[in-house]
Amino acid sequence: GAVVSQHPSRVICKSGTSVKIECRSLDFQATTMFWYRQFPKQSLMLMATSNEGSKATYEQGVEKDKFLINHASLTLSTLTVTSAHPEDSSFYICSASRDRGLETQYFGPGTRLLVL
Amino acid sequence: AQKITQTQPGMFVQEKEAVTLDCTYDTSDPSYGLFWYKQPSSGEMIFLIYQGSYDQQNATEGRYSLNFQKARKSANLVISASQLGDSAMYFCAITVGNQFYFGTGTSLTVIP
Repeated sequence: GAVVSQHPSRVICKSGTSVKIECRSLDFQATTMFWYRQFPKQSLMLMATSNEGSKATYEQGVEKDKFLINHASLTLSTLTVTSAHPEDSSFYICSASRDRGLETQYFGPGTRLLVL
Repeated sequence: AQKITQTQPGMFVQEKEAVTLDCTYDTSDPSYGLFWYKQPSSGEMIFLIYQGSYDQQNATEGRYSLNFQKARKSANLVISASQLGDSAMYFCAITVGNQFYFGTGTSLTVIP
């Protein structure tokens, strides 16, 4: 199966600071990467879809200026939470797929963000 | 509109027994894919099984099988011979176009 890594796995930061989360596809080229957010005991909520070399497509209600997504290469996408606040504390998960169609998404292990 | 429905928030099964997790979906697109993922307490999403809308046969992967009933728009996951390590959240998902829609999940507890 395909392997996707995420770094860091856990991060604690002060309110007002920015946090960058990396998502890497280790053994395949990911045409498309997805970023999700998950609150405790809830389902995954898609935040944005990013395609290599183009701007990310954000879901309705997700602030583009707050959640900056960069997909600079076929193996790396980053999510930067800018000026983090306690309500941004959540579990962030990325996934990657080889194609833009009905391809399986392979998920990273997730990043637990706690904003104090 | 909600695309995926999982009506069982929690399920219990005796070890070594089989269990069925329900999933229904709603789409007018003839081309779609159905997935099941397992999420243990560690948080990682683990891909279990995939069924394409045009696939004639039900998908199987080891102890996992997908009971695909296209006319009823259901894609239930059957886990045979349950193991203690199967205790986790299970999410059904559908991909239509380039969008993934997840259900609300079912928490499965395997009882020794």
